[in-house]
Amino acid sequence: QSVLTQPPSASGTPGQRVTISCSGSSSNIGSKPVNWYQQLPGTAPKLLIYSNNQRPSGVPDRFSGSKSGTSASLAISGLQSDDEADYYCAAWDDSLNGWVFGGGTKLTVL
Amino acid sequence: QVQLVESGGGVVQAGRSLRLSCAASGFTFSSYAMHWVRQAPGKGLEWVAVIWHDGSKRYHADSVQGRFTISRDNSKNTLYLQMNSLRVEDTAVYYCTKQDHDYGDSFDLWGRGTLVTVSS
Repeated sequence: QSVLTQPPSASGTPGQRVTISCSGSSSNIGSKPVNWYQQLPGTAPKLLIYSNNQRPSGVPDRFSGSKSGTSASLAISGLQSDDEADYYCAAWDDSLNGWVFGGGTKLTVL
Repeated sequence: QVQLVESGGGVVQAGRSLRLSCAASGFTFSSYAMHWVRQAPGKGLEWVAVIWHDGSKRYHADSVQGRFTISRDNSKNTLYLQMNSLRVEDTAVYYCTKQDHDYGDSFDLWGRGTLVTVSS
């Protein structure tokens, strides 16, 4: 059972907008920034969003992040087949003195 | 070239030990906190341990506390994970990753991982 809760799956058709949620608590998301990682099949994770809503250089602006209270969201607009991947949220947890990840959401482009 | 390269994985019997290494290049290794993150087959990511840039602090996940120890040698640009008393449930791909303050303390660089298989 992951400390951060994500839906196990999400889907959309090309061009659509999809959102993935991440729910935590006051000791992690409620007080710390959230980061999102994308893991394409058979590869290592890659940083997608940091500090709730910042994109590293090279990440398309189709990807955006937001946070409110103890929840965060990742939005992907203009969905493309290349976006099929697993997506993970993560944050530092003050109670555990460690980083916690969501269980991951598998995105399928129909 | 900015990269992290893990090594040391393999098949080991439960109860035995293994040491993983992560060679860093292309950046000032001694300036960054470093982590190990693992992923069991078909499962999600699990944070394992962190060590401060100068080795002054280190934290381990409860699941490995007392069995695993993270360390680093800044003169060799290398991160380590000593894994003792291995269990079947420690079977996973182990990733080395760099934490960057400029990116909100996120993990901005990952290695390709090394597979550890613990047999019963």
